[in-house]
Amino acid sequence: EIVMTQSPATLSVSPGERATLSCRASQSISRSLAWYQQKPGQPPRLLIYYASTRATGVPDRFSGSGSGTEFTLTISSLQSEDFAVYYCQQYNNWPPYTFGQGTKLETK
Amino acid sequence: EVQLVESGGGLVQPGRSLRLSCEASGFRFDDHAMQWVRQVPGKGLEWVAGVSYNSGSIGYADSVKGRFTVSRDNAQKSLYLQMKSLRIEDTAIYYCVKDASSRWGRELDFWGQGTLVTVSS
Repeated sequence: EIVMTQSPATLSVSPGERATLSCRASQSISRSLAWYQQKPGQPPRLLIYYASTRATGVPDRFSGSGSGTEFTLTISSLQSEDFAVYYCQQYNNWPPYTFGQGTKLETK
Repeated sequence: EVQLVESGGGLVQPGRSLRLSCEASGFRFDDHAMQWVRQVPGKGLEWVAGVSYNSGSIGYADSVKGRFTVSRDNAQKSLYLQMKSLRIEDTAIYYCVKDASSRWGRELDFWGQGTLVTVSS
């Protein structure tokens, strides 16, 4: 099973600043990585797939990068609606799909 | 508009069974694999089970293997999760999730609102 590790667990950033979230896979997953955003009381929402492709309707302040085992989600200028929990997920090997433990992005 | 509506959650005693359902609309259901993902409230996401578009490929998390059975009815555009021998640690919100692929190996591009399963005596 591929283990996904996200860092940091919590990230405190001021609105308007840049946020950088990391995700590491225990073995190479090529670019088979997705990022999801989850707000309280809501299901996760797909943001990024194939490591760097934005899903439909996702603002261009969200960008993804990386391949192999190291991946990054960057939010260029944080808006109030971006404060949420972010999960990465690998889909290179199934079963199982595996998720990182999440990064909580909070207001500084 | 894609919609996934889960039902069947509730309070159940340890060792008992429960069947979750998910009704899909707004997309070609029989073109897509479907997954169940669960989340203990306030905690992270755990993939539970998945089924390919034609039920030819099915997978389970080790934590539920032998106790849960995933199935689908393409004519009814529905996904199911039969849960047996439930344990306290199965308590979670269960999400029905649309896979971007027909089998596996793609992102999860749409999630239902979830149904809460509580296992408690």
